[in-house]
Amino acid sequence: KNQVEQSPQSLIILEGKNCTLQCNYTVSPFSNLRWYKQDTGRGPVSLTIMTFSENTKSNGRYTATLDADTKQSSLHITASQLSDSASYICVATPGGATNKLIFGTGTLLAVQP
Amino acid sequence: DAGVIQSPRHEVTEMGQEVTLRCKPISGHDYLFWYRQTMMRGLELLIYFNNNVPIDDSGMPEDRFSAKMPNASFSTLKIQPSEPRDSAVYFCASTYYRGEQFFGPGTRLTVL
Repeated sequence: KNQVEQSPQSLIILEGKNCTLQCNYTVSPFSNLRWYKQDTGRGPVSLTIMTFSENTKSNGRYTATLDADTKQSSLHITASQLSDSASYICVATPGGATNKLIFGTGTLLAVQP
Repeated sequence: DAGVIQSPRHEVTEMGQEVTLRCKPISGHDYLFWYRQTMMRGLELLIYFNNNVPIDDSGMPEDRFSAKMPNASFSTLKIQPSEPRDSAVYFCASTYYRGEQFFGPGTRLTVL
């Protein structure tokens, strides 16, 4: 069964600190993996996308890594800001003809001053 | 482009009433998706369309739910009759081919 698991479920950090969110996926065949950021009351917005041949992708203070062998991904946030408070969702795209994404349940990040 | 547009943003209704949610995808996108998000289950795909044709409706919970896409710029998700367990945030998303899905702001539905 295709699934995506994320940890931790929630996280509280102080402004300026770094943090790392984890994602394990069991999706076969596999096409790519995205990290989405969802602010409260808004729809998810894509941060990064990586195919199986890419190990790392950066978007400003966000850096995603992918290990296709262990089927693990991480999202590292550097020098956190209050605006980073959001839910971060790991999403895998299966290979083949389907356009049906596999969503994790998200990590809720709270950045405190 | 204004992005994906959904209406209404909030809907409060009583059990048994019909609810219609609306979505306007990004112009030029050929795929449209309807999702439901709850705290317990996260984001769940309900149905998706390609070129206005429903491709996969396996996520539609039951016959009370129906979705239509009469043209490339409009889709509806209807719940009739509504039940309290339908309370959730419903998102519409669109994409071109298999690119990034762009989500709308969502409709928060509360069924009393």
